[in-house]
Amino acid sequence: GEDVEQSLFLSVREGDSSVINCTYTDSSSTYLYWYKQEPGAGLQLLTYIFSNMDMKQDQRLTVLLNKKDKHLSLRIADTQTGDSAIYFCAEMGGTALIFGKGTTLSVSS
Amino acid sequence: EAGVTQFPSHSVIEKGQTVTLRCDPISGHDNLYWYRRVMGKEIKFLLHFVKESKQDESGMPNNRFLAERTGGTYSTLKVQPAELEDSGVYFCASSQGNLNEQFFGPGTRLTVL
Repeated sequence: GEDVEQSLFLSVREGDSSVINCTYTDSSSTYLYWYKQEPGAGLQLLTYIFSNMDMKQDQRLTVLLNKKDKHLSLRIADTQTGDSAIYFCAEMGGTALIFGKGTTLSVSS
Repeated sequence: EAGVTQFPSHSVIEKGQTVTLRCDPISGHDNLYWYRRVMGKEIKFLLHFVKESKQDESGMPNNRFLAERTGGTYSTLKVQPAELEDSGVYFCASSQGNLNEQFFGPGTRLTVL
């Protein structure tokens, strides 16, 4: 089956870096995604990485992909209180997204 | 440009009642998806419309769930009769093409008592 696993909670101090990890099982996934859900809001696509890439950087966000280990990570540099949210890792299974359970990031000042 | 909208934002019903959720996708998006997140679990795919046709409904949990998209615009998801385990957040998403970004609505939180 297809399962996406991620840790449930992460707590960091403002200004520190946050690293959220994810493992997936479908090696044929073309794209891998990170979505963010703020309280009361829908899912917002943060970033994605194509499966033939190892790394993608977008301002404070860095995505690392290890295809051999099927491991994906999201690093947020200089984490701010506004980054507090649930972060979902997802892969594309057919035309539908397959999500992990979400990692709740808590940022304290 | 308006995003994906969903109505209602919250619904509280009793077991055995019927509830209808509505999703309005981004104008012009042919693809419309329904997902569900049960408390503490993954967001799970329910079904996918291309225009008015059901492309994939493999994620629909049982025949108490009925989704429609008449005319290929907005979609409804009806649960009849609702059971306790149907409680969760129902998300709708739309996209222009198969591998293009799926834009999500804010979700409908359904509570079945």
